[in-house]
Amino acid sequence: DQQVKQNSPSLSVQEGRISILNCDYTNSMFDYFLWYKKYPAEGPTFLISISSIKDKNEDGRFTVFLNKSAKHLSLHIVPSQPGDSAVYFCAASGRGNTGKLIFGQGTTLQVKP
Amino acid sequence: DGGITQSPKYLFRKEGQNVTLSCEQNLNHDAMYWYRQDPGQGLRLIYYSQIVNDFQKGDIAEGYSVSREKKESFPLTVTSAQKNPTAFYLCASSIDRATDTQYFGPGTRLTVL
Repeated sequence: DQQVKQNSPSLSVQEGRISILNCDYTNSMFDYFLWYKKYPAEGPTFLISISSIKDKNEDGRFTVFLNKSAKHLSLHIVPSQPGDSAVYFCAASGRGNTGKLIFGQGTTLQVKP
Repeated sequence: DGGITQSPKYLFRKEGQNVTLSCEQNLNHDAMYWYRQDPGQGLRLIYYSQIVNDFQKGDIAEGYSVSREKKESFPLTVTSAQKNPTAFYLCASSIDRATDTQYFGPGTRLTVL
């Protein structure tokens, strides 16, 4: 039972354009969501997070949007840069959680120069 | 220079041998985690520890064992009982059990021949 899903395995965008990565979840108890970026053979790097009390959080070129009614979140990268090419994972945790994160399968982003 | 270290980066073992993966952090974090990543999949939780001398099984604990004798160290042993041990193993830590943001080490690629 996949509680966090990233339905697009890959995404290709042109440098300078917007990248939109999507994530859906099924568990209504999730109240905190994170995005991680991962290069091959390296550990994931924390990018940005959002609490369920918000619907938007912004950090530089990265913005995360949360739609609780649709159980959907998205990561926007504007403008996209070739160095953004990596695998992006969304993750979620729930109320009363012991700190466990549930990860999606990941989306591979390729930004073309 | 604070962070999480994992060693070695690459590890080769013969089938039937136990192997221990190292994870050390100097961030003074209470909580530590072990994940496994397989190609095309997200991160799956093996074991986690919220405090010294205490740990809990994650979603795929069978064939693995851990110890948490020191706050900064959380070694993972992959035993011969683990049926598909070849994978990329990631260690993470967070400030405490109430803090959801986890920070990852660089990972260890284990290949069982």
